[in-house]
Amino acid sequence: DTGVSQNPRHKITKRGQNVTFRCDPISEHNRLYWYRQTLGQGPEFLTYFQNEAQLEKSRLLSDRFSAERPKGSFSTLEIQRTEQGDSAMYLCASSDPINTEAFFGQGTRLTVV
Amino acid sequence: AQSVSQHNHHVILSEAASLELGCNYSYGGTVNLFWYVQYPGQHLQLLLKYFSGDPLVKGIKGFEAEFIKSKFSFNLRKPSVQWSDTAEYFCAVKAGNNRLAFGKGNQVVVIP
Repeated sequence: DTGVSQNPRHKITKRGQNVTFRCDPISEHNRLYWYRQTLGQGPEFLTYFQNEAQLEKSRLLSDRFSAERPKGSFSTLEIQRTEQGDSAMYLCASSDPINTEAFFGQGTRLTVV
Repeated sequence: AQSVSQHNHHVILSEAASLELGCNYSYGGTVNLFWYVQYPGQHLQLLLKYFSGDPLVKGIKGFEAEFIKSKFSFNLRKPSVQWSDTAEYFCAVKAGNNRLAFGKGNQVVVIP
């Protein structure tokens, strides 16, 4: 499968713990996006990378959230000191600069208990 | 910031009925418009997109959408739905930046 890959698919964690998610984009795509989706809502933009540079961050991305894309390939999203309100589906997408169509992964569903 | 409105969050219809899902956005400049579909248990997939040119866009699985600039709308249509069209449909807009703004989605259930 050459699509966008996200791991893990599901994560249950206790409040206050740190979690890290990984996204492997389509190999030739230099743009990578993170979105968050809660029940009954559409995906909400979190952050955007072009190659290894993080170019945009949403106000939704509090200081407990950090994202990296160290070599311009895979990306990680870390949430520190998780709260119940962080429970959501975290989506990763990638695109190339010409096509602009974003291809989405299957997401990581986070449940904070 | 751009916003996207989708109405009638839950739609139930019978096979062979026609489907129209409304999408309105708020942004006065040049936009790229998208409809994504999410089948049960699957990831978001692109149905169709509009960048420029003919405002009537045809996508996969018999779907089409019409961009009406004066109405800030990009409504999705399918003349005759099938049970396999049961899914959640999201309208999205990209305007002047690199982020997609999504609507809340339409949950469509097609009854055989």
